[in-house]
Amino acid sequence: GAVVSQHPSRVICKSGTSVKIECRSLDFQATTMFWYRQFPKKSLMLMATSNEGSKATYEQGVEKDKFLINHASLTLSTLTVTSAHPEDSSFYICSVPGTGSYNSPLHFGNGTRLTVT
Amino acid sequence: KNEVEQSPQNLTAQEGEFITINCSYSVGISALHWLQQHPGGGIVSLFMLSSGKKKHGRLIATINIQEKHSSLHITASHPRDSAVYICAVTTGGGNKLTFGTGTQLKVEL
Repeated sequence: GAVVSQHPSRVICKSGTSVKIECRSLDFQATTMFWYRQFPKKSLMLMATSNEGSKATYEQGVEKDKFLINHASLTLSTLTVTSAHPEDSSFYICSVPGTGSYNSPLHFGNGTRLTVT
Repeated sequence: KNEVEQSPQNLTAQEGEFITINCSYSVGISALHWLQQHPGGGIVSLFMLSSGKKKHGRLIATINIQEKHSSLHITASHPRDSAVYICAVTTGGGNKLTFGTGTQLKVEL
Protein backbone atom coordinates (compact mmCIF):
# COMPACT_ATOMS: atom_id res chain seq x y z
CA GLY A 1 0.00 0.00 0.00
CA ALA A 2 0.93 3.65 -0.27
CA VAL A 3 3.50 4.93 2.14
CA VAL A 4 2.84 8.60 1.38
CA SER A 5 -0.60 10.08 0.78
CA GLN A 6 -0.88 13.41 -1.02
CA HIS A 7 -4.10 15.35 -1.49
CA PRO A 8 -5.63 16.67 -3.58
CA SER A 9 -4.38 14.98 -6.72
CA ARG A 10 -5.75 17.70 -8.92
CA VAL A 11 -7.03 21.20 -8.18
CA ILE A 12 -8.22 24.08 -10.29
CA CYS A 13 -8.49 27.45 -8.61
CA LYS A 14 -9.01 31.05 -9.55
CA SER A 15 -6.24 33.58 -9.57
CA GLY A 16 -5.83 35.22 -6.17
CA THR A 17 -7.08 32.32 -4.10
CA SER A 18 -4.98 30.06 -1.88
CA VAL A 19 -4.59 26.33 -2.23
CA LYS A 20 -3.49 23.89 0.45
CA ILE A 21 -1.80 20.61 -0.43
CA GLU A 22 -1.39 17.89 2.19
CA CYS A 23 1.33 15.27 2.40
CA ARG A 24 0.87 12.47 4.93
CA SER A 25 3.42 9.88 5.90
CA LEU A 26 1.42 6.71 6.53
CA ASP A 27 4.14 4.31 7.65
CA PHE A 28 6.84 6.47 9.15
CA GLN A 29 7.12 9.30 11.57
CA ALA A 30 8.91 11.86 9.46
CA THR A 31 10.80 14.72 11.00
CA THR A 32 11.66 15.77 7.46
CA MET A 33 9.60 15.91 4.28
CA PHE A 34 10.46 17.43 0.94
CA TRP A 35 8.39 19.48 -1.49
CA TYR A 36 9.17 19.54 -5.21
CA ARG A 37 7.80 21.30 -8.22
CA GLN A 38 7.81 20.11 -11.82
CA PHE A 39 7.02 22.11 -14.92
CA PRO A 40 5.93 20.29 -18.09
CA LYS A 41 8.78 18.44 -19.76
CA LYS A 42 11.16 19.67 -17.06
CA SER A 43 12.96 17.98 -14.24
CA LEU A 44 11.79 18.06 -10.67
CA MET A 45 13.11 20.88 -8.54
CA LEU A 46 13.34 20.88 -4.78
CA MET A 47 11.36 23.77 -3.35
CA ALA A 48 11.83 23.31 0.36
CA THR A 49 12.60 20.94 3.18
CA SER A 50 9.80 20.70 5.70
CA ASN A 51 11.00 20.27 9.28
CA GLU A 52 8.69 19.03 12.00
CA GLY A 53 8.24 21.59 14.72
CA SER A 54 10.42 24.24 13.10
CA LYS A 55 10.60 26.48 10.07
CA ALA A 56 10.98 25.01 6.63
CA THR A 57 14.22 25.43 4.74
CA TYR A 58 13.57 26.99 1.35
CA GLU A 59 15.74 26.62 -1.72
CA GLN A 60 17.15 29.69 -3.39
CA GLY A 61 14.59 31.51 -5.47
CA VAL A 62 11.54 30.04 -3.73
CA GLU A 63 9.36 32.67 -2.07
CA LYS A 64 8.68 31.80 1.54
CA ASP A 65 5.60 34.00 1.74
CA LYS A 66 4.22 32.54 -1.45
CA PHE A 67 4.67 28.90 -0.58
CA LEU A 68 3.84 28.41 3.07
CA ILE A 69 4.93 25.14 4.58
CA ASN A 70 3.69 23.80 7.88
CA HIS A 71 4.93 20.56 9.43
CA ALA A 72 2.92 20.45 12.62
CA SER A 73 3.11 16.73 13.28
CA LEU A 74 5.38 13.82 12.50
CA THR A 75 3.01 12.57 9.83
CA LEU A 76 1.70 15.68 8.11
CA SER A 77 3.23 18.49 6.12
CA THR A 78 1.18 21.03 4.20
CA LEU A 79 2.12 23.35 1.35
CA THR A 80 -0.11 26.36 0.84
CA VAL A 81 0.19 28.30 -2.39
CA THR A 82 -0.98 31.75 -1.40
CA SER A 83 -2.58 34.26 -3.77
CA ALA A 84 -2.10 31.84 -6.62
CA HIS A 85 -1.38 33.11 -10.11
CA PRO A 86 -1.38 31.28 -13.44
CA GLU A 87 2.41 30.99 -13.32
CA ASP A 88 2.03 28.89 -10.18
CA SER A 89 0.30 26.24 -12.27
CA SER A 90 2.53 23.21 -11.97
CA PHE A 91 2.88 19.70 -10.61
CA TYR A 92 3.75 19.62 -6.91
CA ILE A 93 4.95 16.46 -5.23
CA CYS A 94 6.19 15.59 -1.78
CA SER A 95 8.54 12.92 -0.54
CA VAL A 96 9.36 11.30 2.76
CA PRO A 97 12.65 9.58 3.60
CA GLY A 98 12.12 5.92 4.33
CA THR A 99 12.25 5.27 8.06
CA GLY A 100 12.01 9.04 8.38
CA SER A 101 15.75 9.48 8.51
CA TYR A 102 18.45 10.78 6.25
CA ASN A 103 20.16 8.72 3.60
CA SER A 104 17.35 6.26 3.19
CA PRO A 105 15.29 5.60 0.06
CA LEU A 106 12.58 8.13 -0.58
CA HIS A 107 8.87 7.58 -0.86
CA PHE A 108 6.87 9.97 -2.99
CA GLY A 109 3.29 11.10 -2.92
CA ASN A 110 1.28 10.86 -6.13
CA GLY A 111 1.55 14.57 -6.69
CA THR A 112 -0.88 17.45 -7.09
CA ARG A 113 -1.54 19.06 -10.43
CA LEU A 114 -2.44 22.69 -9.79
CA THR A 115 -4.09 24.79 -12.47
CA VAL A 116 -4.66 28.46 -11.74
CA THR A 117 -7.12 30.17 -14.05
CA LYS B 1 25.68 22.47 -17.58
CA ASN B 2 23.38 20.48 -15.29
CA GLU B 3 24.96 18.67 -12.39
CA VAL B 4 23.09 15.52 -13.45
CA GLU B 5 22.87 14.59 -17.11
CA GLN B 6 20.86 11.73 -18.53
CA SER B 7 20.88 10.07 -21.93
CA PRO B 8 19.02 9.43 -24.02
CA GLN B 9 16.22 11.94 -23.46
CA ASN B 10 13.77 9.79 -25.38
CA LEU B 11 13.88 6.10 -26.15
CA THR B 12 11.52 3.85 -28.05
CA ALA B 13 12.07 0.12 -27.86
CA GLN B 14 10.33 -3.03 -28.98
CA GLU B 15 9.00 -5.43 -26.41
CA GLY B 16 11.70 -7.80 -25.23
CA GLU B 17 14.62 -5.50 -25.97
CA PHE B 18 17.41 -4.81 -23.49
CA ILE B 19 17.37 -1.15 -22.49
CA THR B 20 20.10 1.02 -21.03
CA ILE B 21 19.66 4.51 -19.64
CA ASN B 22 22.74 6.46 -18.63
CA CYS B 23 23.35 9.06 -15.97
CA SER B 24 26.46 11.19 -15.44
CA TYR B 25 26.99 13.60 -12.60
CA SER B 26 29.59 16.23 -11.90
CA VAL B 27 29.48 16.56 -8.12
CA GLY B 28 30.52 14.42 -5.21
CA ILE B 29 27.57 12.38 -4.09
CA SER B 30 26.50 10.37 -1.08
CA ALA B 31 23.97 8.34 -3.07
CA LEU B 32 22.37 8.04 -6.48
CA HIS B 33 18.70 7.26 -6.98
CA TRP B 34 16.84 5.88 -9.96
CA LEU B 35 13.19 6.87 -10.01
CA GLN B 36 10.28 5.93 -12.23
CA GLN B 37 7.59 8.50 -12.98
CA HIS B 38 4.32 7.24 -14.40
CA PRO B 39 2.15 9.22 -16.85
CA GLY B 40 -0.09 10.39 -14.01
CA GLY B 41 2.92 11.89 -12.28
CA GLY B 42 3.42 9.48 -9.40
CA ILE B 43 7.02 8.61 -8.65
CA VAL B 44 8.42 5.31 -7.45
CA SER B 45 11.90 4.87 -6.09
CA LEU B 46 13.59 2.01 -7.95
CA PHE B 47 17.09 2.00 -6.55
CA MET B 48 19.33 3.85 -4.18
CA LEU B 49 23.04 3.22 -4.87
CA SER B 50 26.29 4.34 -3.39
CA SER B 51 28.51 1.71 -5.01
CA GLY B 52 28.47 -1.39 -7.16
CA LYS B 53 25.36 -2.93 -8.57
CA LYS B 54 21.79 -3.70 -7.51
CA LYS B 55 19.19 -5.92 -9.12
CA HIS B 56 15.45 -6.08 -8.64
CA GLY B 57 13.50 -8.30 -10.98
CA ARG B 58 14.23 -7.20 -14.54
CA LEU B 59 15.91 -4.01 -13.43
CA ILE B 60 19.63 -3.62 -12.81
CA ALA B 61 21.39 -0.48 -11.66
CA THR B 62 25.13 0.04 -11.63
CA ILE B 63 27.31 2.89 -10.50
CA ASN B 64 30.97 3.75 -11.09
CA ILE B 65 31.98 6.30 -8.49
CA GLN B 66 35.36 7.05 -10.08
CA GLU B 67 33.79 7.82 -13.43
CA LYS B 68 30.75 9.53 -11.88
CA HIS B 69 28.44 7.42 -13.99
CA SER B 70 25.46 5.17 -13.44
CA SER B 71 23.36 3.02 -15.72
CA LEU B 72 19.88 1.59 -15.41
CA HIS B 73 19.23 -1.55 -17.40
CA ILE B 74 15.89 -3.13 -18.16
CA THR B 75 15.95 -6.69 -19.41
CA ALA B 76 13.12 -8.21 -21.47
CA SER B 77 11.34 -4.86 -21.69
CA HIS B 78 7.58 -4.72 -21.65
CA PRO B 79 5.05 -2.01 -22.54
CA ARG B 80 4.27 -1.58 -18.84
CA ASP B 81 7.87 -0.34 -18.43
CA SER B 82 6.89 2.76 -20.41
CA ALA B 83 7.50 5.71 -18.11
CA VAL B 84 9.96 8.50 -17.42
CA TYR B 85 13.09 7.30 -15.66
CA ILE B 86 14.85 9.88 -13.55
CA CYS B 87 18.34 9.83 -12.11
CA ALA B 88 18.87 11.89 -8.98
CA VAL B 89 21.76 12.38 -6.59
CA THR B 90 22.12 13.35 -2.98
CA THR B 91 25.15 15.23 -1.77
CA GLY B 92 26.43 15.63 1.76
CA GLY B 93 24.62 13.80 4.50
CA GLY B 94 21.02 14.50 3.65
CA ASN B 95 18.22 13.51 1.34
CA LYS B 96 18.13 16.65 -0.79
CA LEU B 97 17.92 15.45 -4.37
CA THR B 98 19.30 17.01 -7.53
CA PHE B 99 17.47 15.58 -10.50
CA GLY B 100 18.37 14.76 -14.05
CA THR B 101 15.94 15.77 -16.77
CA GLY B 102 14.63 12.25 -17.18
CA THR B 103 14.45 9.70 -19.98
CA GLN B 104 11.09 9.11 -21.59
CA LEU B 105 10.86 5.41 -22.39
CA LYS B 106 8.21 3.91 -24.62
CA VAL B 107 8.12 0.18 -25.13
CA GLU B 108 6.01 -0.95 -28.05
CA LEU B 109 4.48 -4.33 -28.78
